[in-house]
Amino acid sequence: DAKTTQPNSMESNEEEPVHLPCNHSTISGTDYIHWYRQLPSQGPEYVIHGLTSNVNNRMASLAIAEDRKSSTLILHRATLRDAAVYYCTTKNTGNQFYFGTGTSLTVIP
Amino acid sequence: EAGVAQSPRYKIIEKRQSVAFWCNPISGHATLYWYQQILGQGPKLLIQFQNNGVVDDSQLPKDRFSAERLKGVDSTLKIQPAKLEDSAVYLCASSPGQRTSGNTIYFGEGSWLTVV
Repeated sequence: DAKTTQPNSMESNEEEPVHLPCNHSTISGTDYIHWYRQLPSQGPEYVIHGLTSNVNNRMASLAIAEDRKSSTLILHRATLRDAAVYYCTTKNTGNQFYFGTGTSLTVIP
Repeated sequence: EAGVAQSPRYKIIEKRQSVAFWCNPISGHATLYWYQQILGQGPKLLIQFQNNGVVDDSQLPKDRFSAERLKGVDSTLKIQPAKLEDSAVYLCASSPGQRTSGNTIYFGEGSWLTVV
């Protein structure tokens, strides 16, 4: 099954860029990499997803390694509202999204 | 566009009692998911529906959990009888379809269950 590995926690200073890494070495060639984040007491919300090329949207950028075995979510300027648990996920062989324990991001004012 | 609606938001019950959670997905979304999230862990899929048919319920404890999606829209998740270890957030989510892994999942705010 496709599993993802992320650091348990990271810290960033406010208004500085944050790079959140994820390893997904068993990903299949046709599966997208998705990132979600979960604010306290809320359900996860979509952040960004991509297949092979780097992707940008209003929330973040996603940099995907050439071999697709890892990716990095980039928050260009962290704000206090970005403090959350960030999940990197992809589909497993059962065609379901697997969520690990994610990375808890702390933003320091 | 209205998001995924869930109710109740919070529920406290005693062990061996029963509880039911309701979910209304985003209009037009064919796929509906129920996830269980225990404190400190990521969401774990319990059951996935495609329209009103079950796609995967391999991680659903069928001796106590049941779920249905009548008419391919709303869904209910029931626990009977509840155990202490069922204390968790139950997340409903929906997506437009199943066929491509590019589909995004949209989550509700969750139903928080405490079993005492």
